[in-house]
Amino acid sequence: DSGVTQTPKHLITATGQRVTLRCSPRSGDLSVYWYQQSLDQGLQFLIQYYNGEERAKGNILERFSAQQFPDLHSELNLSSLELGDSALYFCASSVDATSGSYNEQFFGPGTRLTVL
Amino acid sequence: GQNIDQPTEMTATEGAIVQINCTYQTSGFNGLFWYQQHAGEAPTFLSYNVLDGLEEKGRFSSFLSRSKGYSYLLLKELQMKDSASYLCAVRDGLNNAGNMLTFGGGTRLMVKP
Repeated sequence: DSGVTQTPKHLITATGQRVTLRCSPRSGDLSVYWYQQSLDQGLQFLIQYYNGEERAKGNILERFSAQQFPDLHSELNLSSLELGDSALYFCASSVDATSGSYNEQFFGPGTRLTVL
Repeated sequence: GQNIDQPTEMTATEGAIVQINCTYQTSGFNGLFWYQQHAGEAPTFLSYNVLDGLEEKGRFSSFLSRSKGYSYLLLKELQMKDSASYLCAVRDGLNNAGNMLTFGGGTRLMVKP
């Protein structure tokens, strides 16, 4: 158990719909990252938040958005869903210390999204 | 940008040693990570290299050559439970610009009896 929690574990929805995925980082971690993992692709970085502010952005679609709240939990919103959005969505967190740490990312169990 | 290459699949025998290679081309480099991922589960951290050389951690070791853009993960005394995907990831920079990792496609290792 990494200490990162994600809900829901599974989500089945239809094309055109909107869903929200939730992540709670490990206690003390300030950074939250979102990744997408499709069957035919590796882990694709979507976006990073640090202490409530967007820190880095990957190839995140405009239909997707995220935010990090004052209690440091984060939500990933996916709208106008398409079949190709079906994937595992992982959240990870890290402490992001300036020294003395690998700053490795700890991954949550993921949310499996199926778009029908 | 980052370009990370690793073999798609490897097969090895229980009790043997296997080496999984990773090559990378990056615009910036501040560390290389190896993660293990069992099917349908979360990746788990295995090792970290930022300086050239070998880092040993029990049955797992990881090597880095920054000048060659090359790393490998060495797994000794293979066990059936080591059957998983092994992900190589490079970090761009460790500063206020982020702690972003770019992952390779992963190497699926099958350990046979």
